[in-house]
Amino acid sequence: SAVISQKPSRDICQRGTSLTIQCQVDSQVTMMFWYRQQPGQSLTLIATANQGSEATYESGFVIDKFPISRPNLTFSTLTVSNMSPEDSSIYLCSGSPGRDYGYTFGSGTRLTVV
Amino acid sequence: QKEVEQNSGPLSVPEGAIASLNCTYSDRVSQSFFWYRQYSGKSPELIMSIYSNGDKEDGRFTAQLNKASQYVSLLIRDSQPSDSATYLCAVNMRDGNNRLAFGKGNQVVVIP
Repeated sequence: SAVISQKPSRDICQRGTSLTIQCQVDSQVTMMFWYRQQPGQSLTLIATANQGSEATYESGFVIDKFPISRPNLTFSTLTVSNMSPEDSSIYLCSGSPGRDYGYTFGSGTRLTVV
Repeated sequence: QKEVEQNSGPLSVPEGAIASLNCTYSDRVSQSFFWYRQYSGKSPELIMSIYSNGDKEDGRFTAQLNKASQYVSLLIRDSQPSDSATYLCAVNMRDGNNRLAFGKGNQVVVIP
């Protein structure tokens, strides 16, 4: 299965600033997804990122707040813009080579907004 | 109805016993089902995938799928303290993005 390197692993940011999270996959994956996970909670899908097309956002998430790039089949970024303390969470990227394969997750980014 | 439901609360099992986790899903056309293990402070790790009705065994793990009842389960035999984690059920949703829908997870505590 694919190995995903995610960085930064954690950051403490000032409100009003932006943070870009990067995920690099060691093999080509068709689909990449970005999730958010609050402590003790399950995963909430933010958006789906496919190469060559705009990301598809889930209800409650918008492109202006969470712009995503997917320049090729091995890389994606998620930016958390104009951050507020409510954005404090763990952000996870995941990828899959196909619809019937399990997804591999990056190691996560623990974001704290102060 | 939620897309994927895991309703059991935290599960405590003695070391060496069998831990049983259950999951139901709403999408009748789903074809791919997965179990993830997540240790505290870590990202989810895929431990089982199952696509056909019946049982699938991998080491001490057995996944069971019943599509007619829209039910998938995970059994952990000979539970070890290292199995203490949260287990997440995931179902591939046959929508345009082929996203995975996750249950809320079940915490398993194996007592030595």
